[in-house]
Amino acid sequence: AQRVTQPEKLLSVFKGAPVELKCNYSYSGSPELFWYVQYSRQRLQLLLRHISRESIKGFTADLNKGETSFHLKKPFAQEEDSAMYYCALSGDQKVTFGTGTKLQVIP
Amino acid sequence: DSGVTQTPKHLITATGQRVTLRCSPRSGDLSVYWYQQSLDQGLQFLIQYYNGEERAKGNILERFSAQQFPDLHSELNLSSLELGDSALYFCASSASGTDPNTGELFFGEGSRLTVL
Repeated sequence: AQRVTQPEKLLSVFKGAPVELKCNYSYSGSPELFWYVQYSRQRLQLLLRHISRESIKGFTADLNKGETSFHLKKPFAQEEDSAMYYCALSGDQKVTFGTGTKLQVIP
Repeated sequence: DSGVTQTPKHLITATGQRVTLRCSPRSGDLSVYWYQQSLDQGLQFLIQYYNGEERAKGNILERFSAQQFPDLHSELNLSSLELGDSALYFCASSASGTDPNTGELFFGEGSRLTVL
């Protein structure tokens, strides 16, 4: 069975402060992990995937297999980062999402 | 718009009724996924189809069924509706079906079902 845990429902940070959205996973195989984002009144969309090792909109995420984590980080939060963020794991022919974390960036 | 489209956007019905939600995937995508989003439950995976065949099943109730048609659109049928079925139902599609492990999912805007 695969599981994705996002422990924080809401994360509030001030503009310019660092952001870390936590994601832990449980999966017996070799997972592929993603972060999806949903801005207000927009569709859920892919933000980044671990296999690409890329930085999107200043966000990065590193897969830590030892800690089974895939935390999303950004050094300086911007107001436009306010959104709902979902961590997702792809394996066994399906994609499992966490419950999501709402990021609120306070001006 | 060649993205994922879902209809209807909103639906209000009564307990015991049956509804059908429709999804058209992105042009060229063979895989369709259905998710349910209830309050505080995140996105619950229901079912996946690839090129007309069921590929994976999640926490889908027996009262729910789905299918993917030859033109690749999909329908999710919800019957004997209960109050707890009120939720946002998302459809997503992906290009890869045989190996979703490397595929990005493209989501529709969702169908909001309210059961009274």
